[in-house]
Amino acid sequence: ETGVTQTPRHLVMGMTNKKSLKCEQHLGHNAMYWYKQSAKKPLELMFVYSLEERVENNSVPSRFSPECPNSSHLFLHLHTLQPEDSALYLCASSQDLSTGEKLFFGSGTQLSVL
Amino acid sequence: TQLLEQSPQFLSIQEGENLTVYCNSSSVFSSLQWYRQEPGEGPVLLVTVVTGGEVKKLKRLTFQFGDARKDSSLHITAAQPGDTGLYLCAGVRDRDDKIIFGKGTRLHILP
Repeated sequence: ETGVTQTPRHLVMGMTNKKSLKCEQHLGHNAMYWYKQSAKKPLELMFVYSLEERVENNSVPSRFSPECPNSSHLFLHLHTLQPEDSALYLCASSQDLSTGEKLFFGSGTQLSVL
Repeated sequence: TQLLEQSPQFLSIQEGENLTVYCNSSSVFSSLQWYRQEPGEGPVLLVTVVTGGEVKKLKRLTFQFGDARKDSSLHITAAQPGDTGLYLCAGVRDRDDKIIFGKGTRLHILP
């Protein structure tokens, strides 16, 4: 496989569940990102990792917990989510953490919180 | 406050027609990117423009960066059904290097 792979593609969870989203990039990139895409809103940057270190956390509620065990893998751990957290969660990578870098996106996880 | 305004929000036209979509802001950007996102997929980068007044062509797509680096346009000539998708612009803001996305223009080309 090449590019950025996200699993699962679809996830339905209750507000009391705990689940994790997984992202894997096969591009040898050093930076990885989590974005949230909601209907009628711009893409919202949630977290940025560079060389496995978190470099940005955009005031995201603590019910979202990222993890980057190595430069190829990124997780988003979810617990006690709210219905308004339903959205498409996109993972992206770029060669390095420099502005203007080309972002390579995965296909996303469509999350529904009941 | 919407930092990057994209217009129109929705556009549905017949195959073969021409169209232009816009991306506007009051902020200055050091670079601006256009992405296309198809249903069930993530956005895919089409082009990056970095110089005020720059024009880039990608087959039937023409991208222009405004002279003041605050706005951009995407013109599609002889639209085809394969052009259907969500077109997103994203700018790297000059003052703080933040990447800002617009809400997108959802384009539907009717065969």
